[in-house]
Amino acid sequence: GAGVSQSPRYKVAKRGQDVALRCDPISGHVSLFWYQQALGQGPEFLTYFQNEAQLDKSGLPSDRFFAERPEGSVSTLKIQRTQQEDSAVYLCASSLLSLGGGEREKLFFGSGTQLSVL
Amino acid sequence: AQSVTQLGSHVSVSEGALVLLRCNYSSSVPPYLFWYVQYPNQGLQLLLKYTSAATLVKGINGFEAEFKKSETSFHLTKPSAHMSDAAEYFCAVRGNNAGNMLTFGGGTRLMVKP
Repeated sequence: GAGVSQSPRYKVAKRGQDVALRCDPISGHVSLFWYQQALGQGPEFLTYFQNEAQLDKSGLPSDRFFAERPEGSVSTLKIQRTQQEDSAVYLCASSLLSLGGGEREKLFFGSGTQLSVL
Repeated sequence: AQSVTQLGSHVSVSEGALVLLRCNYSSSVPPYLFWYVQYPNQGLQLLLKYTSAATLVKGINGFEAEFKKSETSFHLTKPSAHMSDAAEYFCAVRGNNAGNMLTFGGGTRLMVKP
């Protein structure tokens, strides 16, 4: 089947604009992660879902960032009143499970959404 | 908390030469360690992972990494570089909290000269 799909691939926003980034995980994957990757840096954890439950949002940088996964499949990362420092690639990853080891824990990453805030 | 440090943001080697990308970790518990590769405009792809079994881990594309507890290191190597190995490489350590999310290093860009 298809891998993790993210849309849009590129997003240009004016400062102060709200944006919504979509992630379609692999069908049946329970765990879903969002990461932020600034230019020239490694990905940094934002938030984690197990099915529809958001179990960890400790990485969200401010209350302008909000993520949801209402039906336990597609997830949306919303950024309100975007700022220039929000410019980054936003990566989504999913896995069958988060525990248990082996292939069930293997993370599959999408290609990301590159957000540029002008 | 777990963390990883990658020494050298850029590494350049000649085609056919040894590839060595360095990663040191900090962890209060036995770590699970990973190497990922990121090609331009693509998602991260798992190269290999260490999960406390054999200390020498073999991955895809001829890469391997050795876990050395005494040095808190997990360096990535490949005997002979190919042009197609040019990419960004990330070392990561798995956490112990909900979701066991990964903490990544800053990445090393590998350039391969013909």
